[in-house]
Amino acid sequence: EPEVTQTPSHQVTQMGQEVILRCVPISNHLYFYWYRQILGQKVEFLVSFYNNEISEKSEIFDDQFSVERPDGSNFTLKIRSTKLEDSAMYFCASRRQNLGSPLHFGNGTRLTVT
Amino acid sequence: EDQVTQSPEALRLQEGESSSLNCSYTVSGLRGLFWYRQDPGKGPEFLFTLYSAGEEKEKERLKATLTKKESFLHITAPKPEDSATYLCAGVSNFGNEKLTFGTGTRLTIIP
Repeated sequence: EPEVTQTPSHQVTQMGQEVILRCVPISNHLYFYWYRQILGQKVEFLVSFYNNEISEKSEIFDDQFSVERPDGSNFTLKIRSTKLEDSAMYFCASRRQNLGSPLHFGNGTRLTVT
Repeated sequence: EDQVTQSPEALRLQEGESSSLNCSYTVSGLRGLFWYRQDPGKGPEFLFTLYSAGEEKEKERLKATLTKKESFLHITAPKPEDSATYLCAGVSNFGNEKLTFGTGTRLTIIP
């Protein structure tokens, strides 16, 4: 069964550094998302992306965050200048075109900011 | 503000002991209610989508139901491999899929 893959599985970075989290969505999916989960807390929406544009973003997704689909298979989340509070598990998700079809999540990248 | 609340936070059952998990929501104009399973260190794995009150979906030992205010995940004769955290999430707008998640119920099935 096709799946969403994310790399790296774990990323450690120093405060103020830039990180790029990478995702390969399921190949026939057209809608892409980033969510995050701080340890012990809820899964939170960050951003949705369709047709090379951001569809919606949350308050968390400020100017330090950006997303990009650099080619036909990858979808990336960049954090320009990481803060301690950015430490979390970041999940990429994708879905088919049909409205109401479920999101399929990857296994996440654990980001630790020291 | 949309909110999803799950109870209990944790549940320990003996193998074969059936029970139900609750998800209550205040999502304005709810369009869909999703159930996911999450294993430690993994991403949420899709289980069910419910679209309207009265709807039911089943998969193996799991059955999800939806009313106008809450959803239940019924687990019948669970096995140890059903141990996981079960998440529910509501969405009010199909298109941006800004899911509002609950904190989950951590289910442990004791052999």
